[in-house]
Amino acid sequence: NAGVTQTPKFQVLKTGQSMTLQCAQDMNHNSMYWYRQDPGMGLRLIYYSASEGTTDKGEVPNGYNVSRLNKREFSLRLESAAPSQTSVYFCASSEMVMETQYFGPGTRLLVL
Amino acid sequence: AQSVTQLDSQVPVFEEAPVELRCNYSSSVSVYLFWYVQYPNQGLQLLLKYLSGSTLVKGINGFEAEFNKSQTSFHLRKPSVHISDTAEYFCAVRRDYGGSQGNLIFGKGTKLSVKP
Repeated sequence: NAGVTQTPKFQVLKTGQSMTLQCAQDMNHNSMYWYRQDPGMGLRLIYYSASEGTTDKGEVPNGYNVSRLNKREFSLRLESAAPSQTSVYFCASSEMVMETQYFGPGTRLLVL
Repeated sequence: AQSVTQLDSQVPVFEEAPVELRCNYSSSVSVYLFWYVQYPNQGLQLLLKYLSGSTLVKGINGFEAEFNKSQTSFHLRKPSVHISDTAEYFCAVRRDYGGSQGNLIFGKGTKLSVKP
């Protein structure tokens, strides 16, 4: 039982490049989330998916898109990366939106 | 608007000493509070949560927190810390209205450093 997995663990991009961060959970959870973590800022919600087939904006959605591919997978896409998107990205899942969230190990992204 | 304030960004403490990590929240509706821990280079792990009932909540690894409605606080405590407790601790409140209802609002974190 792997819980929440994220790929890649680390990525370096040049400004303007695109990439997709992958997240999968094996807990049969309905809700999934993408956060970014910056020093001194805590975690901020980028997008979330309350259930398969739905996605909603969080606190800082600009510059990102998401896809809830199926119940297990929730991807985050940067279409044109900017240095301000240098951060650690965490995916999380929960049985329902109101329930305890379980976090993946994170993806460290550096945009040059 | 709902918010979470962690009053200390860093807390150094010696091994076997007690520790308190402070968290204050603002919420106009019902309150659901959480503490998460993040060990170096890892994701977040739930320590404990308050949803209702007893105001003293016990969590994993010997941590506990007390919900104080009058002081709008949810401080985390441990009577005797270990080196292995060195980590960053995040307080969070569940958003109960508006957009992203049900999602978590995190504080900025407190780095606990336990020294031998």
